[in-house]
Amino acid sequence: QVQLVESGGGLVKPGGSLRLSCAVSGFTFSDYYMNWIRQAPGKGLEWVSYIGGRSTYTGYADSVKGRFTISRDNAKNSLYLQLNSLRVEDTAVYYCARDAGRRFDFWGQGTLVTVSS
Amino acid sequence: QSALTQPPSASGSPGQSVTISCTGTSSDVGGYIDVSWYQQHPGKAPKLMIYEVNKRPSGVPDRFSGSRSGNTASLTVSGLQAEDEADYYCSSYAGSNNYVVFGGGTKLTVL
Repeated sequence: QVQLVESGGGLVKPGGSLRLSCAVSGFTFSDYYMNWIRQAPGKGLEWVSYIGGRSTYTGYADSVKGRFTISRDNAKNSLYLQLNSLRVEDTAVYYCARDAGRRFDFWGQGTLVTVSS
Repeated sequence: QSALTQPPSASGSPGQSVTISCTGTSSDVGGYIDVSWYQQHPGKAPKLMIYEVNKRPSGVPDRFSGSRSGNTASLTVSGLQAEDEADYYCSSYAGSNNYVVFGGGTKLTVL
């Protein structure tokens, strides 16, 4: 069955960095675009970034452009998000999600990133 | 502020029907077929319930249906059950720059 498991969240100071990982199984990873979507505490969902199956294409929300970098390793069935220059407003649960064509059909359980001094 | 507008709350009694709206623009909801709805229970990841305006993924009960008129999409839950109580989010493709935008979410309460 399809499984996505995020890791790497934690407490970091403003201006700091963090690297999130998402380990996937149950499908041919390289066949799918993948995404990161976040949810601030008590708030709604916000799309963050996508990456194509061969890493040729990437996209970012304006709120993270230039600070976050998405990548993947198809040999390891893993998706990553490098978070730099973190701000308090980046505090959120970060989900990885499989892209079935501009819709997200499988999600991980999420990993919490807290940016606070 | 979310790109798509949803009512913050909705409610209905067991067995009743409830409809949740999602208003966007011609650059998102009204311009593409890629309108989706997600259900999220507290502390859980979102679950895809409707895609391409009115299609249901395998395993989603047919009590859930979607529609669209102009720039407004709607999710209807018929025959409300206690387990339908959750937050519901709409989303839409919004072009190559913004990719996918979400609504602010609607908390559905089963009375």
